[in-house]
Amino acid sequence: DAKTTQPPSMDCAEGRAANLPCNHSTISGNEYVYWYRQIHSQGPQYIIHGLKNNETNEMASLIITEDRKSSTLILPHATLRDTAVYYCIVRVAIGQAGTALIFGKGTTLSVSS
Amino acid sequence: DGGITQSPKYLFRKEGQNVTLSCEQNLNHDAMYWYRQDPGQGLRLIYYSQIVNDFQKGDIAEGYSVSREKKESFPLTVTSAQKNPTAFYLCASSPNGGPYEQYFGPGTRLTVT
Repeated sequence: DAKTTQPPSMDCAEGRAANLPCNHSTISGNEYVYWYRQIHSQGPQYIIHGLKNNETNEMASLIITEDRKSSTLILPHATLRDTAVYYCIVRVAIGQAGTALIFGKGTTLSVSS
Repeated sequence: DGGITQSPKYLFRKEGQNVTLSCEQNLNHDAMYWYRQDPGQGLRLIYYSQIVNDFQKGDIAEGYSVSREKKESFPLTVTSAQKNPTAFYLCASSPNGGPYEQYFGPGTRLTVT
């Protein structure tokens, strides 16, 4: 089962910031939070990941609360091309040295003009 | 260009036939994964491989088989034992160990009638 909880859908006006929340209250101390997005009928695209510090890259910013039980993905200036399903994922250990991504249903972000 | 290729993009088969989906990567990644996605759902892990000649079952391995004879290739066979094979299949790869992101292929949409 997914270890994260996200709202099923959100709307955002083009040019405004999109703030996507995620709850991961059972996260362990060494588990990272990952964000991916999936545009219809394509493979998921990596956005960003973090452990406990806030992170920023050319696509987005990730804000993780101090207790690490929740995080927010911020798209600073949403465009129509940002319309997608956004997945918040806690990477879990599998096997002796591997990890896998456990996907939930994600948040469908709709950006409109 | 480095990346993951899956072929074909669309595949149609008759019920009772086995079908093999191709996944190739030239990223020099050790780990490879197969996921299944049904409409409106997140991704579910079918099989994964952390090293050549070794692979492990994921959450929904029944009715599927894989092989990992080469680092670059991780084909998935959907057997006639899979009761609901119609789905979108995604292959991914990542370096082993560490908090690395997974890179996804474009997916293969399989329809069995």
